[in-house]
Amino acid sequence: EAQVTQNPRYLITVTGKKLTVTCSQNMNHEYMSWYRQDPGLGLRQIYYSMNVEVTDKGDVPEGYKVSRKEKRNFPLILESPSPNQTSLYFCASSFGGQGGNNYGYTFGSGTRLTVV
Amino acid sequence: AQSVTQLDSHVSVSEGTPVLLRCNYSSSYSPSLFWYVQHPNKGLQLLLKYTSAATLVKGINGFEAEFKKSETSFHLTKPSAHMSDAAEYFCVVSDRGGGFKTIFGAGTRLFVKA
Repeated sequence: EAQVTQNPRYLITVTGKKLTVTCSQNMNHEYMSWYRQDPGLGLRQIYYSMNVEVTDKGDVPEGYKVSRKEKRNFPLILESPSPNQTSLYFCASSFGGQGGNNYGYTFGSGTRLTVV
Repeated sequence: AQSVTQLDSHVSVSEGTPVLLRCNYSSSYSPSLFWYVQHPNKGLQLLLKYTSAATLVKGINGFEAEFKKSETSFHLTKPSAHMSDAAEYFCVVSDRGGGFKTIFGAGTRLFVKA
């Protein structure tokens, strides 16, 4: 089944303790992206990647890191989590096609992160 | 610069009546436009997309949207609402050929009354 898999689904952690949320897709998609969803704000893009070793900042990159060493994986790293990073996080991937067009994302099921 | 405005935070309709969810966008380049749906406690699902082909786009579950460049709008419609359509809907813009920076609207919550 074609899918984007995120782990964990739920995570409660303490301020300052480094964590990684994994994301993997099995569709050979070039593009991957991380979003956070907060009430009343919709989804905001954290980072995106157009291919292996190519990443760029979205609208809210502060406090996050990403890497794209393999095409299928795009982990999100919080080096020193803070309470304002409590949110629902989504990973997404997409076929890129020619010209850098976005053909629409397939989303993972989400990771609900609570930082206390 | 890109931006998306969903004109209604909440829309309430009766089952069997038409649905209209409004979206205006701003984009410096030729945009790709999307509608996604999110059911409670679920991930997001792509409803439909506009990527420079026909301006009237048909999606899943009977939804469609029309790209109107002169009005910078991409409104989502459905002729007859079903109870299962109750969800949150997001309008999204992405600049074609401009990488993968995408902007989501704040969302419109659709309520369907029996």
